[in-house]
Amino acid sequence: NAGVTQTPKFQVLKTGQSMTLQCAQDMNHEYMSWYRQDPGMGLRLIHYSVGAGITDQGEVPNGYNVSRSTTEDFPLRLLSAAPSQTSVYFCASSYRAGGSGYEQYFGPGTRLTVT
Amino acid sequence: SQQGEEDPQALSIQEGENATMNCSYKTSINNLQWYRQNSGRGLVHLILIRSNEREKHSGRLRVTLDTSKKSSSLLITASRAADTASYFCATGLVGGKLIFGQGTELSVKP
Repeated sequence: NAGVTQTPKFQVLKTGQSMTLQCAQDMNHEYMSWYRQDPGMGLRLIHYSVGAGITDQGEVPNGYNVSRSTTEDFPLRLLSAAPSQTSVYFCASSYRAGGSGYEQYFGPGTRLTVT
Repeated sequence: SQQGEEDPQALSIQEGENATMNCSYKTSINNLQWYRQNSGRGLVHLILIRSNEREKHSGRLRVTLDTSKKSSSLLITASRAADTASYFCATGLVGGKLIFGQGTELSVKP
């Protein structure tokens, strides 16, 4: 099992550009989520999905879109990159939501810089 | 404001000593989880304690939960240099969300 994979590992964007961060898992997990990690802020939930075709917003959804067409994949789209989106992005998956008592499996992260 | 706040923000100890990290939160929870993050890596789950539990052990880890004080602590006994990492508490809420604290940076010196 590869677990949770994320691509790319590093990305530099110019303000206004768009891009998609890829996330895939091979554990047949229903629940997937995206977090961003900033110094001194811990991890903040951007969007999450409880299954294919179902997504919802987390704490900081503005500027990001998600879709979940398959169980395995959960891409995160930056619509028009801004310097405030400079961060490390983590994708996580689980059988069910963490609030329901399930551990989350994290990918290695994507370090994004917006200039 | 953060649901989970951790204390201390940074902790430096010698190998063999015990390390204690604390987490406080604001709202009712279903469970509380602790994660570890090595520098430049993703988070790894360590232990989960449910709201009706008071203490849990896993190897050298001991977690306590006091729902009346809305606080939890993580104790790592007999620390090793390999325990150097950031440690995060995460509160599992009704409705499913998992909210992370800012983390404690632990440095264990050989």
